[in-house]
Amino acid sequence: EVQLVESGGGLVQPGGSLRLSCAASGFTFTSYSMHWVRQAPGKGLEWLSYISSSGTTMYYADSVKGRFTISRDNAKNSLFLQMSSLRAEDTAVYYCARWDYRISWFNDYWGQGTLVTVSS
Amino acid sequence: DIQMTQSPSSLSASVGDRVTITCRASQSIRNYLSWYQQKPGKAPKLLIYAASILQSGVPSTFSASGSGTDFTLTISSLQPEDFATYYCQQSFSTPYTFGQGTKLEIK
Repeated sequence: EVQLVESGGGLVQPGGSLRLSCAASGFTFTSYSMHWVRQAPGKGLEWLSYISSSGTTMYYADSVKGRFTISRDNAKNSLFLQMSSLRAEDTAVYYCARWDYRISWFNDYWGQGTLVTVSS
Repeated sequence: DIQMTQSPSSLSASVGDRVTITCRASQSIRNYLSWYQQKPGKAPKLLIYAASILQSGVPSTFSASGSGTDFTLTISSLQPEDFATYYCQQSFSTPYTFGQGTKLEIK
């Protein structure tokens, strides 16, 4: 069974840093690209970042470029999101999601999310 | 960036109704479009990929169509468990933008 489990969320002050983790199991992690997507309270989904299966290619949304860094440890089946210079508007539930391809690309499995609250 | 616009933003319907949600891309995305269902407090769930292909395990009351810039998601006969928020997402180019969501509520 495919499982994605996020951790690392919590309360952080504006300007602070936080590192989110996503533990993957039930599939060959090294074969899949991964994404981070967030959802602010009461708002819609916002795509944040992509990392290729090898970890050599990354993309970011403009809203987090230069502040967030996506990475992965294929030996440990783990995905990470290092967040710095956090702002109140970064408050959201953060999801990791697997990226698959069958004719088109899509996120077929999602974690349960981890809540990040940026507040003083 | 490609903008994804869903309509309507909210919709009230009854069990058994047929409903259609529309998603429009600001430029052609061919068939690089997926649909997700999200219930309160839960992660999104993939319903449709490649614009019209039903994900395994999704009821056949869901269907979708479209290509290029205009896409639709149809639920042929609403069930109580279908009341949720629905999002489209383009996977043609980064940033992989979502529509703003359509909240489907019980009338």
